[in-house]
Amino acid sequence: AQSVAQPEDQVNVAEGNPLTVKCTYSVSGNPYLFWYVQYPNRGLQFLLKYITGDNLVKGSYGFEAEFNKSQTSFHLKKPSALVSDSALYFCAVRDIKAAGNKLTFGGGTRVLVKP
Amino acid sequence: GAGVSQTPSNKVTEKGKYVELRCDPISGHTALYWYRQSLGQGPEFLIYFQGTGAADDSGLPNDRFFAVRPEGSVSTLKIQRTERGDSAVYLCASSPQGRVDTDTQYFGPGTRLTVL
Repeated sequence: AQSVAQPEDQVNVAEGNPLTVKCTYSVSGNPYLFWYVQYPNRGLQFLLKYITGDNLVKGSYGFEAEFNKSQTSFHLKKPSALVSDSALYFCAVRDIKAAGNKLTFGGGTRVLVKP
Repeated sequence: GAGVSQTPSNKVTEKGKYVELRCDPISGHTALYWYRQSLGQGPEFLIYFQGTGAADDSGLPNDRFFAVRPEGSVSTLKIQRTERGDSAVYLCASSPQGRVDTDTQYFGPGTRLTVL
């Protein structure tokens, strides 16, 4: 079975400060990992993914994430947060050993960036 | 280019009624997915199509839920005898090939279903 945990329901950060959104995962094999962002009344927008290779993945809108196999984590980061980054963020995992092609999502973390 | 589109954006129905939700994937994408997102939760997988066939329907909660993709493009999620617990946002996604090692799933805006 594959699962994802996002331990923080909400993260508050001041504009211009670094932003980190935490994600840990559990899979039986090796993981494919994804981050999506959801704005109000809109669908999920893809930010970045880790498939293989460099543990530091760079994505859209200045976001990056670091894959840490020993800690089974894939935290999302942005060096300098913007007010427009305020949204709901979802981490997702796909176990390469599992049948099918489904993503398993975490419960989401709401990010609030204050001016 | 055009993204994934879903219609209707909102659907209100009464308990016991039948509903159909439509998804138009990105043109050329062979893989299509349905997820359900309940309030305050992350999306949960329902079903995955590769072309016209359902490659994985393990997430469908019961036999009231059914989905089709007859021509390998547009998909319809059908819910019979709706229950209040079916109220959620139903998300559709598509990906180019369904390759698990490279594909990214791109999501539509969702259909918000409310069962009264």
